[in-house]
Amino acid sequence: EAAVTQSPRNKVTVTGGNVTLSCRQTNSHNYMYWYRQDTGHGLRLIHYSYGAGNLQIGDVPDGYKATRTTQEDFFLLLELASPSQTSLYFCASSENSGNTLYFGEGSRLIVV
Amino acid sequence: GQQVQQSPTSLVLQEGENAELQCNFSTSLNSMQWFYQRPGGSLISVFYNPSGTKQSGRLTSTTVIKERRSSLHISSSQITDSGTYLCASASSGSWQLIFGSGTQLTVMP
Repeated sequence: EAAVTQSPRNKVTVTGGNVTLSCRQTNSHNYMYWYRQDTGHGLRLIHYSYGAGNLQIGDVPDGYKATRTTQEDFFLLLELASPSQTSLYFCASSENSGNTLYFGEGSRLIVV
Repeated sequence: GQQVQQSPTSLVLQEGENAELQCNFSTSLNSMQWFYQRPGGSLISVFYNPSGTKQSGRLTSTTVIKERRSSLHISSSQITDSGTYLCASASSGSWQLIFGSGTQLTVMP
């Protein structure tokens, strides 16, 4: 089974702060994704990538950057965090688009 | 784009009862998945079922493409089944999954 590991699991930062969420998958999947989960909105796609060096925009990309440094590693960057970015963030991977998604444990971010 | 509606929003059962969760889609679909989310935790894929019926233990998923719906049936529910069940679908011509808001299931002893 695919292993997707996220860090940190919990983070509190101040408005305007700089946050990096990390994700590593160890099953050599091509696709990696960052989602946020909020009450009333379900999961929404922020950014995704289909390989090292590639980045694609999702549905709610504003205020987020992402970088896929290797096949295994996908980072989500919040350079000027705002309270509206308080959320539960999930990283996921899949072998190809449309295949089963494998999720990490989630990273809970609070921006005060 | 695709919109996904799940029902019911929440469901409380006594242990041993059956559950039927529904997912309806606004457009035709080419991919359909069910996920289970532990309370406060990660999502686990339960079924990848773009059409037809699939069964795994006490869980059965049925997707009817022409009716734009999918269901998840849980038989003989157990306390450990408690959590949130999410469905997700991609519309025809797209790979991107759109998630429903989930059904929160609570199984009481």
